[in-house]
Formats: sequence, structure tokens, C-alpha cells
Amino acid sequence: SQQGEEDPQALSIQEGENATMNCSYKTSINNLQWYRQNSGRGLVHLILIRSNEREKHSGRLRVTLDTSKKSSSLLITASRAADTASYFCATVPLFSGGYNKLIFGAGTRLAVHP
Amino acid sequence: EAGVAQSPRYKIIEKRQSVAFWCNPISGHATLYWYQQILGQGPKLLIQFQNNGVVDDSQLPKDRFSAERLKGVDSTLKIQPAKLEDSAVYLCASSPRGTDQPFGNTIYFGEGSWLTVV
Repeated sequence: SQQGEEDPQALSIQEGENATMNCSYKTSINNLQWYRQNSGRGLVHLILIRSNEREKHSGRLRVTLDTSKKSSSLLITASRAADTASYFCATVPLFSGGYNKLIFGAGTRLAVHP
Repeated sequence: EAGVAQSPRYKIIEKRQSVAFWCNPISGHATLYWYQQILGQGPKLLIQFQNNGVVDDSQLPKDRFSAERLKGVDSTLKIQPAKLEDSAVYLCASSPRGTDQPFGNTIYFGEGSWLTVV
């Protein structure tokens, strides 16, 4: 079953522009994570935000979390062609039996044009 | 630090044949995961091991899929017999700990094993 749903499904922008991707989820969470997947490759962990945090930054990435709305957003500032990839949000449910169970959404395909 | 190793990277088989994928997690990682990712979709968890025990296999089609993690290190995922809808990327991942602790939650993925069933 899918926990997170990303919006939009696809996003096309020019280099230098900002890219914003949104994620909604259904159940209470321990934390939410964002991953990137380049075409034909595995997933790379980008950032983790815990349920008691509202915002986190990592380089050009900014993630927000609104637990009351069960939603998160990933902002990539000053995008580059190398940012072209699929981006997935994934959640660790609050009641996961103490195990690090990660449930992914369907992803947003980002294309950054030079 | 070596990453998660998977093999083979690519496999093409006919339906009703069998296939096995191998995964070697990052050294010392207690938790190992197998995900199935169908083209255009997000990864779906098939099975999760904590050391050599199964903690979640609720979405594993047990009539045709099996997985084991002997000695709590590397793991194999087998499909027998394969169906057309099994065409997907099979991603192995590992993480240092199973519990939700501040520095144990990052999951590291391998490059995946691409399966095409014809």
C-alpha cells in the first residue's frame, strides 16, 4: 500500500528556477524522508524530517512538514540540469513496531532544462 | 564504505521460469529490505529482515516469491514461477538499526536488479 502521494506527478522547469514538490500521507508518522532516483539507478537519501520538526535545510534543499495537514514539501532552489530525476517522499509510520519501515509514494518526475 | 551490492543487474526470463537475486548489505547493517519498483511507480516493500528474522512480509506474494537472509548478512530473493507482471526493478536496501533512533533511520539502496519477464 502507498502511504504518500506526490504532487505534481511531473514538473518541467528551466535551470535557475525553483522546484517545489508536495507530498501528502495518510497515517501518523515518526518521520518523513525524501529520496532522489536518477534514471536507471537506485534511490539516494536526501533529507529526513521528524514529526516534531517543521522545517529542515540541506544545501539547496528545503523541506517543510505540516503534521496537522499530513503534508510535506520539498523545495529545490536554483535548480540545475543535474537535478533532473524522480523524487520520492517516504514515511515511517508512528506505529511500525519499532522497526524502520519505510513506505514510498509514487514520486514526482522533475526535468530541468538548460 | 562499500554500498549495498546487488546482482545480477539485468535479467530477462520467460514466464513460468525462475530467477534469483542476491544482495549484500552494508557491513554491520542489521536491517535489510527488498522493494519492488514497477516502472513509473514508487518502490513497494516486499520483505524486511531484522538480522536474520522477518519483521514484515505482508506484501510478499508468498505463492511465488521467497526470500531468505541466512546468518543475518546477505540475502536472496527468488521468484518461481515468474509472471509477466513481475517485470520490475528489485531494490535491496539496508539500514544500521531497526528501531526509530535519531541516527539509524537512513536507508541505503543498491542500484537494483532489473527483471524483464517475456
